[in-house]
Amino acid sequence: EDQVTQSPEALRLQEGESSSLNCSYTVSGLRGLFWYRQDPGKGPEFLFTLYSAGEEKEKERLKATLTKKESFLHITAPKPEDSATYLCAVQAEDMRFGAGTRLTVKP
Amino acid sequence: DGGITQSPKYLFRKEGQNVTLSCEQNLNHDAMYWYRQDPGQGLRLIYYSQIVNDFQKGDIAEGYSVSREKKESFPLTVTSAQKNPTAFYLCASSQTGNTEAFFGQGTRLTVV
Repeated sequence: EDQVTQSPEALRLQEGESSSLNCSYTVSGLRGLFWYRQDPGKGPEFLFTLYSAGEEKEKERLKATLTKKESFLHITAPKPEDSATYLCAVQAEDMRFGAGTRLTVKP
Repeated sequence: DGGITQSPKYLFRKEGQNVTLSCEQNLNHDAMYWYRQDPGQGLRLIYYSQIVNDFQKGDIAEGYSVSREKKESFPLTVTSAQKNPTAFYLCASSQTGNTEAFFGQGTRLTVV
């Protein structure tokens, strides 16, 4: 059965303290891996798509990487406005999400 | 503006009543999805459709029904058979294959 597991469940950082979020997956026929940001009460907002191992994408303070078994979302020098839940999803026959990492960045 | 529109944003229903959530997209996407999100949890797939007049069950389809009569529209009906329907419902669409999905702003359903 296809599975997506994200860790940690919650992460508290001080402003400027860099860290990484993990998304590990087992899926047959991976077509793509996606990262989303979700603010409370809102729909997820698309961040990145990764298709093959070794691929990397960057946007402002965020960088996503992909291996054959997992993906990382690296956050460099985060700011309080980066506080949100970050969701990972894998696309095979359907699109399946992990439970998310709730990130809090304190000023 | 292109996008996905879910309506209404908030919905209240009495226990035992069926209710239909609307999802419309003008992105010309082939695939559409319905997810359910409970507090503090991730998204669970209810139904998805990759083409008009065809749809497949996701992990938690019991107590829900959908239709896909038009490319732009993918309504979700929460039936009285759904044991715990109170949740945040999210609709998404994407091109078929391996492209990212875009989400609506969600409908929060409360059953009393």
